[in-house]
Amino acid sequence: EAQVTQNPRYLITVTGKKLTVTCSQNMNHEYMSWYRQDPGLGLRQIYYSMNVEVTDKGDVPEGYKVSRKEKRNFPLILESPSPNQTSLYFCASRSRGGGTEAFFGQGTRLTVV
Amino acid sequence: GQSLEQPSEVTAVEGAIVQINCTYQTSGFYGLSWYQQHDGGAPTFLSYNGLDGLEETGRFSSFLSRSDSYGYLLLQELQMKDSASYFCAVLYQGGFKTIFGAGTRLFVKA
Repeated sequence: EAQVTQNPRYLITVTGKKLTVTCSQNMNHEYMSWYRQDPGLGLRQIYYSMNVEVTDKGDVPEGYKVSRKEKRNFPLILESPSPNQTSLYFCASRSRGGGTEAFFGQGTRLTVV
Repeated sequence: GQSLEQPSEVTAVEGAIVQINCTYQTSGFYGLSWYQQHDGGAPTFLSYNGLDGLEETGRFSSFLSRSDSYGYLLLQELQMKDSASYFCAVLYQGGFKTIFGAGTRLFVKA
């Protein structure tokens, strides 16, 4: 079954404690992306990756890092989380073409206290 | 900057047709996508328009006019399960960057 898997689904952490949210896809997609979703704001793109070792900033990259060492994995790293990063996070993947269907993970609800 | 506008809320009755509009201001426009999201769920892809015109997928159709910076999603034969949030999303900068609208909450009444 084609899928994007995020872990964990829920996470409560404290300010400043580094964390990683993992994302893995089994469709051999070149393109992967991270979004955060906040009430009334829709989804905002954090980072994206066009292929292995190729990443670039989206609209709201501050406070986040990513890496793409393997095609299937695209982890999101928060080096020093702050309360304003409390949000619902989604990872997505699609094949290279811009208009192809994007598949989203189940989401990670992060709370930073 | 980039911006999208879509209505915040739409209500319609079961069996009816509803249209959700999306206007955008984007440099480097590449295409327009539509997504559905049920409460507590992940966005799911509905449709994509890269060129002007109508794309039809079952009960859903999507339209794009690049000259008017405007698109819409048309939902026909509404069902209760169509109650969800609908997002338009503009792809730009070669299709690698995406900006989403704030979403339209659709309520389908019996």
